[in-house]
Amino acid sequence: SYVLTQPPSVSVAPGQTARITCGGTNIESKSVHWYQQKPGQAPVLVLYDDSDRPSGIPERFSGSNSGNTATLTISRVEAGDEADYYCQLWDNGRVFGAGTKVTVL
Amino acid sequence: QVQLVQSGAEVKKPGSSVKVSCKASGGTFSSDVISWVRQAPGQGLEWMGGISPIFSTTNYAHKFQGRVTITTDTSTNTAYMELSSLRSEDTAVYYCARGSAVAGNALDIWGQGTMVTVSS
Repeated sequence: SYVLTQPPSVSVAPGQTARITCGGTNIESKSVHWYQQKPGQAPVLVLYDDSDRPSGIPERFSGSNSGNTATLTISRVEAGDEADYYCQLWDNGRVFGAGTKVTVL
Repeated sequence: QVQLVQSGAEVKKPGSSVKVSCKASGGTFSSDVISWVRQAPGQGLEWMGGISPIFSTTNYAHKFQGRVTITTDTSTNTAYMELSSLRSEDTAVYYCARGSAVAGNALDIWGQGTMVTVSS
């Protein structure tokens, strides 16, 4: 089964840039989606199809997908961005990464 | 804007079954796919399966095949997830979510979650 690898945690200072990676074999051939989940809340879609933003998601959230790594980039990080982030794709079913906890210092 | 409203928390005995509902309010399921995703305490997201209400076709994660049944009632715009032979490891928050065709089939709308506790 397809495995997605995310770093367990990323720390970033306010105003700086956070990059969250999602590794998988030839992941560039697949469409990757990203979700944000804050404690006690349901996940929220922040990017779909590698880099498209749903309505209401700030332009600070961007994405890329190349080779074996997809990346979610959060620019000008704010305290409200502190959350768990999950990547997901379709491979004989929906596959989620284990999640990355983003801490704003 | 469609919202997904799930049924309330459940406490179940090991070996029993649980059925969680997910009702679309403010719209219909239309041609979208409804997925069920669970999250054990302190853990990540785990896809269980999905259903296309319009085609009545289902797709289950291998891990849950034979133990999970996902259905819909299009007359009430409600989806259901039934999990049988419950064990303590099934204690989790269960979410329904819509896979949107216009968003690359990403899960763009989520229910509020239903806590299922399995305990003797």
